[in-house]
Amino acid sequence: NAGVTQTPKFQVLKTGQSMTLQCAQDMNHEYMSWYRQDPGMGLRLIHYSVGAGITDQGEVPNGYNVSRSTTEDFPLRLLSAAPSQTSVYFCASSYRQDNSPLHFGNGTRLTVT
Amino acid sequence: DAKTTQPPSMDCAEGRAANLPCNHSTISGNEYVYWYRQIHSQGPQYIIHGLKNNETNEMASLIITEDRKSSTLILPHATLRDTAVYYCIVRAAGGTSYGKLTFGQGTILTVHP
Repeated sequence: NAGVTQTPKFQVLKTGQSMTLQCAQDMNHEYMSWYRQDPGMGLRLIHYSVGAGITDQGEVPNGYNVSRSTTEDFPLRLLSAAPSQTSVYFCASSYRQDNSPLHFGNGTRLTVT
Repeated sequence: DAKTTQPPSMDCAEGRAANLPCNHSTISGNEYVYWYRQIHSQGPQYIIHGLKNNETNEMASLIITEDRKSSTLILPHATLRDTAVYYCIVRAAGGTSYGKLTFGQGTILTVHP
C-alpha cells in the first residue's frame, strides 16, 4: 500500500490564483480530512468527509472547497489564493470507526506571494 | 474533548528510555488518549492509544494512571530517529468525531548520541 499520497509536494502561487491540492489513499478508508499547519498554531482541521458524496467543515474552512466523488480521492481547492493561506497542508484518512488511527500524508508546502 | 498539557521539550540519551508525560485532568469516561509524533517536515504518525489499561505495541508503551488524569508515553530504547514532536491528544468515542483530532503544541523530544 502506498498509504496517503499528496501532490504536489511544493507549490508557489501568486495572490488570486487558484489551485487544487490532491490527496489519494489506497486503504479503502471512509474518512478523509485536510489539516493545515502553521508555526506556533499546531494542526487545524479544514474540511473532512465521512464517505463519498459527504463533506463537512472543520475549524478553519474559509477560502477552501472540497468534494468527495470517490472513496480514494479528496482534493482541496483554493479558489483565490491569499498570503494567509501560506502553510503546510496535510491530508489524513482512517476507517469510519472509533479508535481507528489517522494516517497522514507527507504534506504539501504552499507559499502564496 | 479534554485539554492536554505537555512539557514543551525533553532530552534523552540514545539507548535509554524516553518517558513523555501528559496531563489530562479534565478527561471524561469515554475519552481515549492518543499519541502521535511528527518527525521534521513529515506528516504526523500514529503511535498508540488507550482508554484505561496500559497498552504496548511495537513502537511504545502507554501508561495511564488509575484516575486517568495523566499518562506517560514510553519509548523503551530511544534512537536518534525518535527525535520528533510528540502530541498527546484526548478524544471522545462515538458520534462523528473519530477523525477530529485537536493537536496542541506537543513535546519536542531530542535524542542525543
